[in-house]
Amino acid sequence: NAGVMQNPRHLVRRRGQEARLRCSPMKGHSHVYWYRQLPEEGLKFMVYLQKENIIDESGMPKERFSAEFPKEGPSILRIQQVVRGDSAAYFCASSPQSGGSYNEQFFGPGTRLTVL
Amino acid sequence: LAKTTQPISMDSYEGQEVNITCSHNNIATNDYITWYQQFPSQGPRFIIQGYKTKVTNEVASLFIPADRKSSTLSLPRVSLSDTAVYYCLVGALGDYKLSFGAGTTVTVRA
Repeated sequence: NAGVMQNPRHLVRRRGQEARLRCSPMKGHSHVYWYRQLPEEGLKFMVYLQKENIIDESGMPKERFSAEFPKEGPSILRIQQVVRGDSAAYFCASSPQSGGSYNEQFFGPGTRLTVL
Repeated sequence: LAKTTQPISMDSYEGQEVNITCSHNNIATNDYITWYQQFPSQGPRFIIQGYKTKVTNEVASLFIPADRKSSTLSLPRVSLSDTAVYYCLVGALGDYKLSFGAGTTVTVRA
């Protein structure tokens, strides 16, 4: 059973460009979470999605950031008009449909975004 | 969510036991204690979870005293590959917003 997959692993963008980060959850998992990790800091929750629904986006910046988890295909975290402060590692996690335990999140390897 | 405090870093040598203590003075009755491990350039990985007393699995042991205001993650006979950041998290079942602090960077030397 493949784990959580994220691509690209590394992404370089110039200021003002758009960044699209993809996440394929583990097979059978319908809950997806995105986290951001700034250098020398812990992961911070951004958004929680289920298929075609945003459940909680309380950790998302109000502007330029959006996320989706369509019926078919991976979850996408989109950052428009990137700025240098967006440079970070973005991690996706997933949990099984019956998940609700505090611990049941399985993380992908992350996408490291560098904004020049 | 209960706040946690853990040491910034710890050094050890191969074959030694490493014990990382996490303080969570305002832990709630329905909170569990969970530890994650993160290797460089990878996402966090669940290690162990407990509510009280002692929990042991193939990777680690978790000791939780009766007052639950702290917990200790014990890594037996560490190897170089155990070099990682270890995070202590506290939260209730159903809390999906995992709250990671700065963690404890454990460095194992030969």
